[in-house]
Amino acid sequence: GEDVEQSLFLSVREGDSSVINCTYTDSSSTYLYWYKQEPGAGLQLLTYIFSNMDMKQDQRLTVLLNKKDKHLSLRIADTQTGDSAIYFCAEKYQNFVFGPGTRLSVLP
Amino acid sequence: DTGVSQNPRHKITKRGQNVTFRCDPISEHNRLYWYRQTLGQGPEFLTYFQNEAQLEKSRLLSDRFSAERPKGSFSTLEIQRTEQGDSAMYLCASSLGQGHEKLFFGSGTQLSVL
Repeated sequence: GEDVEQSLFLSVREGDSSVINCTYTDSSSTYLYWYKQEPGAGLQLLTYIFSNMDMKQDQRLTVLLNKKDKHLSLRIADTQTGDSAIYFCAEKYQNFVFGPGTRLSVLP
Repeated sequence: DTGVSQNPRHKITKRGQNVTFRCDPISEHNRLYWYRQTLGQGPEFLTYFQNEAQLEKSRLLSDRFSAERPKGSFSTLEIQRTEQGDSAMYLCASSLGQGHEKLFFGSGTQLSVL
């Protein structure tokens, strides 16, 4: 079945770049997404990439997709304390499947 | 604010009681999804509606769970005879369901079963 995996924790210093990685199993995925969840809140869509693209940039966010390796990454440039949250990778073919989330801690 | 709205935000109940949650999606969205999220996990799909039709239900959705979307607008999720294992955050999301589908989530209902 479909499965999405992520490392559970990432810690960076304010001002550094963060890179959050994700692997997925369904090669038929049409879109891949990154969502952000802050404490006590629902998920907020950050960005998405179509499966025939290999890169997408949106302000401080860069998404890289290696379709051959089924690997997706999210790079956050100039990470701020407000970026501290849980980041979920998700794939969609017929249904959305979410990873377990990566908790990003930004240290001052 | 025209985002996805969920009520209540928190629900504490005793084991064996019935609970009902409500979700109001973004008004022009025809798809509505219910997910369950437990601590340290991503959202797990429960069920979804295309307008008023319930098109898919997860195997996670036991007989004690029922969802409705009677007029294709708001939806309710009812859990009968709650168990402690039902304690979780219940998230609702909606989308236009066209082309590259984007889910918009509500803030969730946190259920605690004592």
